Amino acid sequence: EADIYQTPRYLVIGTGKKITLECSQTMGHDKMYWYQQDPGMELHLIHYSYGVNSTEKGDLSSESTVSRIRTEHFPLTLESARPSHTSQYLCASSANRPGNQPQHFGDGTRLSIL
Amino acid sequence: QQPVQSPQAVILREGEDAVINCSSSKALYSVHWYRQKHGEAPVFLMILLKGGEQKGHEKISASFNEKKQQSSLYLTASQLSYSGTYFCGTEKGGGSEKLVFGKGTKLTVNP
Repeated sequence: EADIYQTPRYLVIGTGKKITLECSQTMGHDKMYWYQQDPGMELHLIHYSYGVNSTEKGDLSSESTVSRIRTEHFPLTLESARPSHTSQYLCASSANRPGNQPQHFGDGTRLSIL
Repeated sequence: QQPVQSPQAVILREGEDAVINCSSSKALYSVHWYRQKHGEAPVFLMILLKGGEQKGHEKISASFNEKKQQSSLYLTASQLSYSGTYFCGTEKGGGSEKLVFGKGTKLTVNP
């Protein structure tokens, strides 16, 4: 059973607010990911981290930023939320063993910007 | 480049079989398969590595045809619990482990 936690599960907030979505995993995984998923649509990678102090942007351009100061923690921040940021944000992690490893997903944060 | 999944949707009766395909125009190094139920997180099913190997997970199996740059997911004797959206994810490049997901195939299994 994967242990990856996201908070909050739901967030409704006004335009212009600063938001931080939390993601933590207790599996000691080096690799962590943030995906954006609109209802009924596919997942798009927006951020990727190989390990502490290592982050990269994904394929989908995002105004969000991430940090990786601790292995277990990979928060995502929006400095000034806009309605276009309304979406579901999924965090995932995978083990740092050789070869392809499955990604374990958190339950996601459903973000709604008014 | 985003892989192409087909069909977009399929409706089955319990006990019937289905095949979901995932094709890429670029060379495939690996294909990941995930199932996502409505309102839930995607759940890992299996990874196929280049070499044409076939893997199984309960009554769900998959194949990887490197030559055709295609993976197929086979669901046999479907159960109600198989309902959900199936996504394939392909690796951008050898060893990058950054996945590009297809648009998904919505599978509905009715009693």
